[in-house]
Amino acid sequence: EVQLVQSGAELKKPGEFLKISCKGSGYSFPGYWIAWVRQMPGKGLEWMGIIYPGDSDTRYSPSFQGQVTISADKSLGTAYLQWSSLKASDSAIYYCARRYYYYDRSGYAFDIWGQGTMITVSS
Amino acid sequence: EIALTQSPGTLSLSPGERATLSCRASQSVSSSYLAWYQQKVGQAPRLLIYGASGRATGIPDRFSGSGSGTEFTLTISRLEPEDSAVYYCQLYGTSRNSFGQGTKLEIK
Repeated sequence: EVQLVQSGAELKKPGEFLKISCKGSGYSFPGYWIAWVRQMPGKGLEWMGIIYPGDSDTRYSPSFQGQVTISADKSLGTAYLQWSSLKASDSAIYYCARRYYYYDRSGYAFDIWGQGTMITVSS
Repeated sequence: EIALTQSPGTLSLSPGERATLSCRASQSVSSSYLAWYQQKVGQAPRLLIYGASGRATGIPDRFSGSGSGTEFTLTISRLEPEDSAVYYCQLYGTSRNSFGQGTKLEIK
């Protein structure tokens, strides 16, 4: 079964470091881009950035550039999202998703999603 | 930056009825990169439609997508109670991906 499994919920304090993970299985992890998507409480989906685990090529949304770091370890089949200094406004659910290319429509979509990681930042 | 605007914000319909959800782009886009997702309460999003009209694996044929240019539509025929969810359109790009703000579908 193709799946992405994310690390568990976190309760952190402002200013702390955090790194969450997204582990792929059932497919060749290095060969597919992995995106991170934020969902703040009661709000919609926001694309944060995307990484190609094969060579760690990474792209960020301008809204998140410099605020987070996306990385991947292809040998472990895992992508990561990290914050060096958390803020209360980082409280949200974070999803990872696999980008898939559909040849019949010559386009991309996110076909597999992780279950989400809830991050709560509070003093 | 291309913006996606979804309408209506909320839709309330009865089982068996047809739902029509709209996604409008601020400028003409390639339909190849337009997708629709369903998100039920407490769950991760699920891909429904890719390339504006391709149905993802396992998605019932009650769900269909159409459109081109700036206007795209997700149609759900013969609504069932489990279709209650928020539906998002998304435009995939090489350096940024826009999601619409979502349409909440309530089944009476």
